[in-house]
Amino acid sequence: EAQVTQNPRYLITVTGKKLTVTCSQNMNHEYMSWYRQDPGLGLRQIYYSMNVEVTDKGDVPEGYKVSRKEKRNFPLILESPSPNQTSLYFCASSPYGRVETQYFGPGTRLLVL
Amino acid sequence: QKEVEQNSGPLSVPEGAIASLNCTYSDRGSQSFFWYRQYSGKSPELIMFIYSNGDKEDGRFTAQLNKASQYVSLLIRDSQPSDSATYLCAVKRGQNFVFGPGTRLSVLP
Repeated sequence: EAQVTQNPRYLITVTGKKLTVTCSQNMNHEYMSWYRQDPGLGLRQIYYSMNVEVTDKGDVPEGYKVSRKEKRNFPLILESPSPNQTSLYFCASSPYGRVETQYFGPGTRLLVL
Repeated sequence: QKEVEQNSGPLSVPEGAIASLNCTYSDRGSQSFFWYRQYSGKSPELIMFIYSNGDKEDGRFTAQLNKASQYVSLLIRDSQPSDSATYLCAVKRGQNFVFGPGTRLSVLP
């Protein structure tokens, strides 16, 4: 089954404790992206990647890191999480040349205390 | 001014009516425009995208784009209770996507 998976789906952590949210897709897609969704603000793009070893900042990259060492994986790293990073996070992927047809993962709900 | 604006709603329409959802954007460099539907607790799913001025129809859905007015709309004909969801407007500039806050639609049986 074609899908985008995220782990964990739910996470409660404390300020300053490094964490990684994994994203994996099995569709051989080149484009991958991370978003956060907050009430009243909609989805905001954090980082995106056009292909392996190619990443770029979205609109809200501060406090986040990403890497794209393999085509299928695009982990989101919070080196020192803060309470303002409490949010619902979505990973998405799409094929090259069809970037508009993004497939979204199920979401990861993060609470930073 | 936010780059993509939508009325947050809720927008309530009776079953069988036409629901009209509106979106404005500020960046004239935006290249393509999208409507996503998001059910509560679920991830967004693409309904339609449009690149050119005018209308684009897909089943009960019609997207309308007016670049001069920087305005995108989505019409849902014969609205069903299953259409009750939040509708997200998004624009693409370069490889970057910018979403609006979403409009909550409620279709009343």
